[in-house]
Amino acid sequence: EVQLVESGGGLVQPGGSLTLSCAASGFPFSSYAMHWVRQPPGKGLEYVSTITGNGGTTYYAESVKGRFTISRDNSKNTLYLQMGSLRAEDMAVYYCARRRSTYFYDYWGQGTLVTVSS
Amino acid sequence: QSALTQPASVSGSPGQSITISCTGTSSDVGGYNYVSWYQQYPGKAPKLMIYEVSNRPSGVSNRFSGSKSGNTASLTISGLQAEDEADYYCSSYTTRITVLFGGGTRLTVL
Repeated sequence: EVQLVESGGGLVQPGGSLTLSCAASGFPFSSYAMHWVRQPPGKGLEYVSTITGNGGTTYYAESVKGRFTISRDNSKNTLYLQMGSLRAEDMAVYYCARRRSTYFYDYWGQGTLVTVSS
Repeated sequence: QSALTQPASVSGSPGQSITISCTGTSSDVGGYNYVSWYQQYPGKAPKLMIYEVSNRPSGVSNRFSGSKSGNTASLTISGLQAEDEADYYCSSYTTRITVLFGGGTRLTVL
């Protein structure tokens, strides 16, 4: 059974940093590109970042470029999102999702809430 | 990057059919057959309902169908049931950002 379990969310002050993790199981992790998608409270889904299966290529939404870093440890079947210079508008539930080759997400984690507030 | 355009809300009575539209541009919806649709209940993660415009994953009811014409994709739900009441999001590959979502549509079953 495919499982994605996020962790690491919490309360952080504006300008602060936080690292999210996504533990994957039930599939060959290194064979799949992985994405982070976020959802601000009461709002829609927003693409955040991509990393290819071998970790060699990454992409970011303009809104987080230069502040967030996506990475993965295929030996630990774990995806990460390092978030820095956090702003109020970064407050959201962050989901990790497995991306298929034609750019759809067939599995999602349960999400982890990041709250940015002083 | 603007989101794909979806109606904020749609409604229908049990047994009826409804269609949710998703309008983009030739750089996303119109340029690729990489449109997908997700159902989301409050407080839950999204669930894949349609991929590659019109394909249904195993386990998704055949009451859900997808199509595309030009820059607009559509999700049709036939034989509406109370359990279909949820938020629905479209998504498309785009060369500019890799993935773009619609703003979401709240489906109310009357």
